Amino acid sequence: AQSVTQLDSQVPVFEEAPVELRCNYSSSVSVYLFWYVQYPNQGLQLLLKYLSGSTLVESINGFEAEFNKSQTSFHLRKPSVHISDTAEYFCAVTPSGNTPLVFGKGTRLSVIA
Amino acid sequence: KAGVTQTPRYLIKTRGQQVTLSCSPISGHRSVSWYQQTPGQGLQFLFEYFSETQRNKGNFPGRFSGRQFSNSRSEMNVSTLELGDSALYLCASSLEGRNTEAFFGQGTRLTVV
Repeated sequence: AQSVTQLDSQVPVFEEAPVELRCNYSSSVSVYLFWYVQYPNQGLQLLLKYLSGSTLVESINGFEAEFNKSQTSFHLRKPSVHISDTAEYFCAVTPSGNTPLVFGKGTRLSVIA
Repeated sequence: KAGVTQTPRYLIKTRGQQVTLSCSPISGHRSVSWYQQTPGQGLQFLFEYFSETQRNKGNFPGRFSGRQFSNSRSEMNVSTLELGDSALYLCASSLEGRNTEAFFGQGTRLTVV
C-alpha cells in the first residue's frame, strides 16, 4: 500500500527566509503527487500537483515542488516566506486518478515576524 | 461557481448517538469522497461515491456509512458514536471521479462528548 512520509511535523522559519518541506512516498511505480495547504478551521486547498511532464511544478503564490523519481521525493520549497504562509501543508499521492489520495501526516509551517 | 459545501460546519454529539453529515459537490461533479482528519491519524480515506455507487471504501468499521443521491449530493452517517470519532470530516468532489482534480469542502467539525 502507498504511504507518504512528511519528515518534519513542525517547521518554524523567519519571514523572508527560504523554506523546504520534505515529502517522501513509498512506491516507485508511476504516481501522481500533490501538495495541499490547510489554514486554521478550513478545508484543504490544492497548492500544486505533479501529473507528468516537467519535474518542477510551480504554484501561483511562489511555491514550487520537484518530483524526484529515484529518491521518491516531492519536496516543497519557497525562496522567501510571508506571514500569510503560516498553515499546515499536506503531501498526497495516488497511483492513478481513480484511487483515493493517500496523505502524509502534515507539516505545520510557522512564519515568524 | 459555488464550491463544495458541507453542512453543518460544527456539531456536538453524545456517545452512542448517531450523526449525519452532508456534502454538496460542485455543480456537475459526479464523484464525492469523504476523509476523516484527526491529530493522531491525520487524513484517512472513508469512502467514495460516483454516480450513486460506492466505488472505493477505506478501512473503517461498519458504523460509518454513506450514500449519494441522484443530484450527486452525498451524506455520511456514523452510528453509535464513540469519543474517537471526534474529527474534522472533509469531503472532496471531482468531475469524473479523477482525484487529480479534486476540490475539498471546509469540513464538518464533529465533537463527541
